[in-house]
Amino acid sequence: AQSVAQPEDQVNVAEGNPLTVKCTYSVSGNPYLFWYVQYPNRGLQFLLKYITGDNLVKGSYGFEAEFNKSQTSFHLKKPSALVSDSALYFCAVRDMSGNTPLVFGKGTRLSVIA
Amino acid sequence: EAGVAQSPRYKIIEKRQSVAFWCNPISGHATLYWYQQILGQGPKLLIQFQNNGVVDDSQLPKDRFSAERLKGVDSTLKIQPAKLEDSAVYLCASSLERQATYNEQFFGPGTRLTVL
Repeated sequence: AQSVAQPEDQVNVAEGNPLTVKCTYSVSGNPYLFWYVQYPNRGLQFLLKYITGDNLVKGSYGFEAEFNKSQTSFHLKKPSALVSDSALYFCAVRDMSGNTPLVFGKGTRLSVIA
Repeated sequence: EAGVAQSPRYKIIEKRQSVAFWCNPISGHATLYWYQQILGQGPKLLIQFQNNGVVDDSQLPKDRFSAERLKGVDSTLKIQPAKLEDSAVYLCASSLERQATYNEQFFGPGTRLTVL
């Protein structure tokens, strides 16, 4: 069965500092990996995805994520955090076979402090 | 481009009552999803439609939940009768997906259901 682990419920970072939100996954085959962000009272918004190819994926709002197959990780990163990045971040995985649904982690709340 | 529309945004009902949620996906999106998001958890897929056919409803509690997408466009999710544990945000999403399972999903704002 597929699963996603986001080991940190909350990440606090000072504005201007780099941020990392961690994600590890488990699938039987090869993964498609996604990051979504959720702002209060709004639906999830797509940030970026890994399909194949370059392990470093760049997405919206200056975010990027690195796929590491040996560590089964897909950590979200940003070189310089903004207060407006404060939100709930979800990692999600889907097996490339396509026969399984998208499975989400429980989310990590990012708080960027001015 | 208009996003995924959902209504109502909020609903409060008593247990054993019934409730229905409506979703209009992005125009041209073949695939529509309903998710349940319980507070403190990630979204969990309830049902996936491709056009007006069901692709996956393995996690839908079929004794009380039903969903339809009659014309392959908008969709309705119903709960009858509701239980306390159904209190959650119900999210609708859509994607271009036909064969490509790597397409991102676009989410609506959700319906927050409170069952008293």
